[in-house]
Amino acid sequence: DGGITQSPKYLFRKEGQNVTLSCEQNLNHDAMYWYRQDPGQGLRLIYYSQIVNDFQKGDIAEGYSVSREKKESFPLTVTSAQKNPTAFYLCASTPLTWPGDYGYTFGSGTRLTVV
Amino acid sequence: AQSVAQPEDQVNVAEGNPLTVKCTYSVSGNPYLFWYVQYPNRGLQFLLKYITGDNLVKGSYGFEAEFNKSQTSFHLKKPSALVSDSALYFCAVRALNSGNTPLVFGKGTRLSVIA
Repeated sequence: DGGITQSPKYLFRKEGQNVTLSCEQNLNHDAMYWYRQDPGQGLRLIYYSQIVNDFQKGDIAEGYSVSREKKESFPLTVTSAQKNPTAFYLCASTPLTWPGDYGYTFGSGTRLTVV
Repeated sequence: AQSVAQPEDQVNVAEGNPLTVKCTYSVSGNPYLFWYVQYPNRGLQFLLKYITGDNLVKGSYGFEAEFNKSQTSFHLKKPSALVSDSALYFCAVRALNSGNTPLVFGKGTRLSVIA
């Protein structure tokens, strides 16, 4: 079955440490997105990419970085510059012929906690 | 600029009663509108979408939504609520002719269906 896989499901980060969240899709979708979810704040856009080797900042990009070296993969790095990284992170993708059937297809998320 | 408002953080309804989750939006021009549902520690799942055509859109699990252009609303409805409908619901919007602009999400409404 096609879908989006996010790993790990749970991640713990120490102060001052960089961590990378994985997002892989086998839907042949062109565009991929990273959102951050905090209680009561909905989904806020971090970064998105419409084609390989190109990406754009979203509303809250500070302290995060991404790469898009392959169509299937869009990893998110949470750097030590992100002062409050504890949140639920969601990856999504869409086909070139937007909106397709579902608009976005979402992964199951990664819960990041600073310890 | 695009925006979505979900005016209720929480909606409580008795099982078997009709439910409504409200959404209003702001875009330039005509909108794409979506409803997604999220269960605990999971990604968002597609419920329904409006692009063009009939103002009443039918979706998954017996949900439907009514597009009202004059009121810029897209309220989610279900004639008879089930306990299993308890979840977090998100409305999202994008302008029809905005290229590949990402979806903008509301802050979410938590639906609680009481047996």
